[in-house]
Amino acid sequence: AQRVTQPEKLLSVFKGAPVELKCNYSYSGSPELFWYVQYSRQRLQLLLRHISRESIKGFTADLNKGETSFHLKKPFAQEEDSAMYYCAKAGVRDMRFGAGTRLTVKP
Amino acid sequence: DSGVTQTPKHLITATGQRVTLRCSPRSGDLSVYWYQQSLDQGLQFLIQYYNGEERAKGNILERFSAQQFPDLHSELNLSSLELGDSALYFCASSVDLLQETQYFGPGTRLLVL
Repeated sequence: AQRVTQPEKLLSVFKGAPVELKCNYSYSGSPELFWYVQYSRQRLQLLLRHISRESIKGFTADLNKGETSFHLKKPFAQEEDSAMYYCAKAGVRDMRFGAGTRLTVKP
Repeated sequence: DSGVTQTPKHLITATGQRVTLRCSPRSGDLSVYWYQQSLDQGLQFLIQYYNGEERAKGNILERFSAQQFPDLHSELNLSSLELGDSALYFCASSVDLLQETQYFGPGTRLLVL
């Protein structure tokens, strides 16, 4: 079955520490991969997508087809990065979200 | 603000009833998506409409249906409601394909008593 797995429900780091949010997906065809973020009291919004290869707010994500992973990384976490992060995979006719990881960045 | 609007914000109803949720996409977007977010199931893709026609179907129950009108707004109809249908229902829109960036609305919180 098509699946997106985010193994960590909660992740807590200190400000300035590196952070990595894990995402693994089951492979089928040529999926497009995304990270969406939901800050407190805000709507879900795109953080970054694989195809654009941009770095947004210091976050990057590398697609590893061998490991079927799309982990989100940031070298130095900031308090304003505290949010809910969702990994998502879009096929031609299907969209799957992971269960989400709540990141807390402590001062 | 993504430009996607949803009404109502909150809805409380009883089991067995029927409700309609409404979504207006961003200006220029032809695709509308519906999602259900519940505590135990996470964010589940329900259905996509493109320019008035159904394009992709996810985990949508037979009791649920949707449509997209000529002005591109969309409605999600939930009937014979059960307690387990209580959830946050999101609408999103994009220009065209599922594999594009989607812009999400604020959601409608449905409570079935």
